[in-house]
Amino acid sequence: SQTIHQWPATLVQPVGSPLSLECTVEGTSNPNLYWYRQAAGRGLQLLFYSVGIGQISSEVPQNLSASRPQDRQFILSSKKLLLSDSGFYLCAWSARSYGSVNEQFFGPGTRLTVL
Amino acid sequence: GQQVMQIPQYQHVQEGEDFTTYCNSSTTLSNIQWYKQRPGGHPVFLIQLVKSGEVKKQKRLTFQFGEAKKNSSLHITATQTTDVGTYFCAGEIPSGTYKYIFGTGTRLKVLA
Repeated sequence: SQTIHQWPATLVQPVGSPLSLECTVEGTSNPNLYWYRQAAGRGLQLLFYSVGIGQISSEVPQNLSASRPQDRQFILSSKKLLLSDSGFYLCAWSARSYGSVNEQFFGPGTRLTVL
Repeated sequence: GQQVMQIPQYQHVQEGEDFTTYCNSSTTLSNIQWYKQRPGGHPVFLIQLVKSGEVKKQKRLTFQFGEAKKNSSLHITATQTTDVGTYFCAGEIPSGTYKYIFGTGTRLKVLA
C-alpha cells in the first residue's frame, strides 16, 4: 500500500532562518507531487506541483522553492523565512492516470511558526 | 487568475438538519473533487466528478457537477456530529495538467 511521509510535524523558526521540509512517498512510482500551504482557518493554497523528476511548476511568487531530486521525494525550501511564511504545509501525491480518478493523498502536514 | 470560490464560509446547523455548500469556478473545469478536513487534520478525498450534470451519492452525501462544468455542490442530508469539519472543492485547471485549485472551503459545525 502507498504511504506518504512528511516531517517534521511542527517547527518553530526565527525570521531570516532557512527552511527545509521533506516529503516522501512509498508504494507507488512516478506520482504527481504537490505542496500546499494553509493559513489558520483558511483554504489550501497550491505552492508547487511536479509531474516528474526535475519538473516543478511554481504557482505563487514567494521566497519558497521546491525540488524533486528523486521520483518519490519532494522538498520545500527557503533561504530566509518571513513572518508571512507561517502556516500549515501539506504535501500530497496522486497517481499519474489521466482519465481516471486523480485522488490526492495528503501527508500529516508540518505546522510552521515563524517568530 | 483562476479562482474557485465556495459559499458559505461557515455554517452552523442543528443535528438532523440538512447542509449544502456551493463551489463556483471562474473557468471551466475538466473535473472537480471534494475533500473533507477534520479539525487539526489533513484533507481526505471524498469524490471526483467528471461529466457535465453528473450527480453522485454517498450515503447521506449528494454531489453535483453543473452543466457548464463551472460549479458544483455538496449536500448532506440529516447532518450528524461526525460531519463536522471543513469541506473543500478542488478543480483541475487547466485540463490534463494534474494541477488543482482548491476552493476557499466551508466550515461546518453541527450542534447536538
